[in-house]
Amino acid sequence: DAKTTQPNSMESNEEEPVHLPCNHSTISGTDYIHWYRQLPSQGPEYVIHGLTSNVNNRMASLAIAEDRKSSTLILHRATLRDAAVYYCILRSTDKLIFGTGTRLQVFP
Amino acid sequence: SAVISQKPSRDICQRGTSLTIQCQVDSQVTMMFWYRQQPGQSLTLIATANQGSEATYESGFVIDKFPISRPNLTFSTLTVSNMSPEDSSIYLCSVGNSGPYNEQFFGPGTRLTVL
Repeated sequence: DAKTTQPNSMESNEEEPVHLPCNHSTISGTDYIHWYRQLPSQGPEYVIHGLTSNVNNRMASLAIAEDRKSSTLILHRATLRDAAVYYCILRSTDKLIFGTGTRLQVFP
Repeated sequence: SAVISQKPSRDICQRGTSLTIQCQVDSQVTMMFWYRQQPGQSLTLIATANQGSEATYESGFVIDKFPISRPNLTFSTLTVSNMSPEDSSIYLCSVGNSGPYNEQFFGPGTRLTVL
């Protein structure tokens, strides 16, 4: 699986939008872009995924650059419950290989 | 979605002993995986549990240390053998259906402490 680069940490205030960046310059045509998050003391949970087009679901939006070499996870209104480690993962097989992720802190 | 349970949720074990962790999912899934998360670290994939055949191990993990069984589409076990303090970690079971476009679900984890 191709490698991704994410900032180690980010901060946000509650009820503000959060944009979590991910660089994946070596992405291949068959790589799906997945985002998972891990809340404290829990297993990871799926957030969203996409291939080429932007995607929206009830949790977040995924904006994918036209050249697919980067993507951004958008939380439209951060809540305290969104404080977690967010993992951007490229996936072309059945396996999920985790990087180090971005630790998001949300302040009231 | 899939609901995953793991047993035990936590354990404290003595050096040199073995512990078997169970993973049960509430629906049939094609793929089951085992991960390790060492303190303060990200998740590392140990192996893919294959139904009715030997598991597929990632680099750095071997069957003698981490034997895995998967007798059916809803159940798997991971054994941590001949434990040392370095094996103290959270062990997580994950399931999903085949295909890189499918969501993967994670269990709550088993927190293992080896003294």
